[in-house]
Amino acid sequence: AQSVTQLGSHVSVSEGALVLLRCNYSSSVPPYLFWYVQYPNQGLQLLLKYTSAATLVKGINGFEAEFKKSETSFHLTKPSAHMSDAAEYFCAVSDPGGYQKVTFGTGTKLQVIP
Amino acid sequence: EPEVTQTPSHQVTQMGQEVILRCVPISNHLYFYWYRQILGQKVEFLVSFYNNEISEKSEIFDDQFSVERPDGSNFTLKIRSTKLEDSAMYFCASSDGSGYSQYFGPGTRLLVL
Repeated sequence: AQSVTQLGSHVSVSEGALVLLRCNYSSSVPPYLFWYVQYPNQGLQLLLKYTSAATLVKGINGFEAEFKKSETSFHLTKPSAHMSDAAEYFCAVSDPGGYQKVTFGTGTKLQVIP
Repeated sequence: EPEVTQTPSHQVTQMGQEVILRCVPISNHLYFYWYRQILGQKVEFLVSFYNNEISEKSEIFDDQFSVERPDGSNFTLKIRSTKLEDSAMYFCASSDGSGYSQYFGPGTRLLVL
């Protein structure tokens, strides 16, 4: 069974500062990994995905994540935070294959301070 | 850009009543899912559906729940006799199976009183 652990339920950064949201995964098979963002009162939007190709994955809105097998990590980063990045971010994992269920982490709420 | 839609956006019901949540997946997708998110908790998988049958279901998806694709476009989740603990945001998702991604709808917020 797969799982993901997100370190830090709340993260605060200043506008313009580096954003780093941490995610570690556990999987018995090579996983597919995802980051989703949820803005207040909205649904889940896919930011980026790792599906066993390039280990550095670029997503929308300037976000990227690096798959590190040795560390079982898939941390999300953005060089410079914008006010509009304030949202909840979910790391997620699935077995390989585009039809498998997705298992979500508990989420990290990102606050951006002006 | 194609998107998953869900209706209603909000639903309030009395405990013991039946509710049907509706979803229109992306048109060329073949795999369909329901997830739920209880307030303040993580998103949890409920059920996946392919080729007109359930592919996988979680422990949460008991006999009170059922899913159906009544026509070529809709995908529904029925809760036969709602309980207070069914109050949650319910998300529908769809996937074409080859794109490695599930696309989520905006959710239906269900409140059981």
